[in-house]
Amino acid sequence: AQSVTQLGSHVSVSEGALVLLRCNYSSSVPPYLFWYVQYPNQGLQLLLKYTSAATLVKGINGFEAEFKKSETSFHLTKPSAHMSDAAEYFCAVSGSGGYQKVTFGIGTKLQVIP
Amino acid sequence: NAGVTQTPKFQVLKTGQSMTLQCAQDMNHEYMSWYRQDPGMGLRLIHYSVGAGITDQGEVPNGYNVSRSTTEDFPLRLLSAAPSQTSVYFCASRAKTGWGTEAFFGQGTRLTVV
Repeated sequence: AQSVTQLGSHVSVSEGALVLLRCNYSSSVPPYLFWYVQYPNQGLQLLLKYTSAATLVKGINGFEAEFKKSETSFHLTKPSAHMSDAAEYFCAVSGSGGYQKVTFGIGTKLQVIP
Repeated sequence: NAGVTQTPKFQVLKTGQSMTLQCAQDMNHEYMSWYRQDPGMGLRLIHYSVGAGITDQGEVPNGYNVSRSTTEDFPLRLLSAAPSQTSVYFCASRAKTGWGTEAFFGQGTRLTVV
C-alpha cells in the first residue's frame, strides 16, 4: 500500500520569497517519487522525480526536492518565487519493480503575491 | 509531437446518457490510465491498462468501462451518466521500460452531468 500526504492545500508566498511545498509518503516498497505541476485548464506535467539515484533532485524552472528516508518526506523547494509559478502542485508515489500504480496527493495551490 | 490527445475537451450530458471519452497516445507507451480530478481530492485512478487487451480497475471504477484493443487508444465509457460523475477526466500514459518512468497527461476533458 502507498499513500501521499501534502500538507497545506493552499500556500501563499510573496514574489521573490522561498517556496516550500510539503509532501510525506508511505510505501511498503522502495518508492519512486514525483512532483507534477498543473497550470489552469491544463494537464499535469512533470517537474522532477526521485528514482533512488541522488537524494537531492533538481527539476525544471528552478525547483528541487530532497528525498529524506528517515522523515519519509519529499518536499519541493524553490529559492525565489516568480509570478509564473502560480499553479497547483501534486506529489505522487509509485513502487518499484514491474507495474506499479501511481498514487497522487490532493494537491497544493500556490499563490504568488506581487 | 502530439503526446497524449483527449477528446472532447468539454462535454455536457444529461443524467442517464452514455458517452465515450477518447484517449490516444503516439509514444508507444505500454501503460495507460484514466483519472478523475475533483476539488480537494487530487487525482483518483479509475481504470488502467498494462498493454493491449489487458485492463484492470483502479480505486473508483464504478460506472465506467474501458477497453484497450490497440497500444495507442484507451477509451473510457460512461454507461449511464450521473451527476456524481461531473469531474475533469485525465488520460495518462507511461513507458514500461526504465525505472520510475513518469506519466504523460492529456489536456483533460471537463464533463458536466445535469
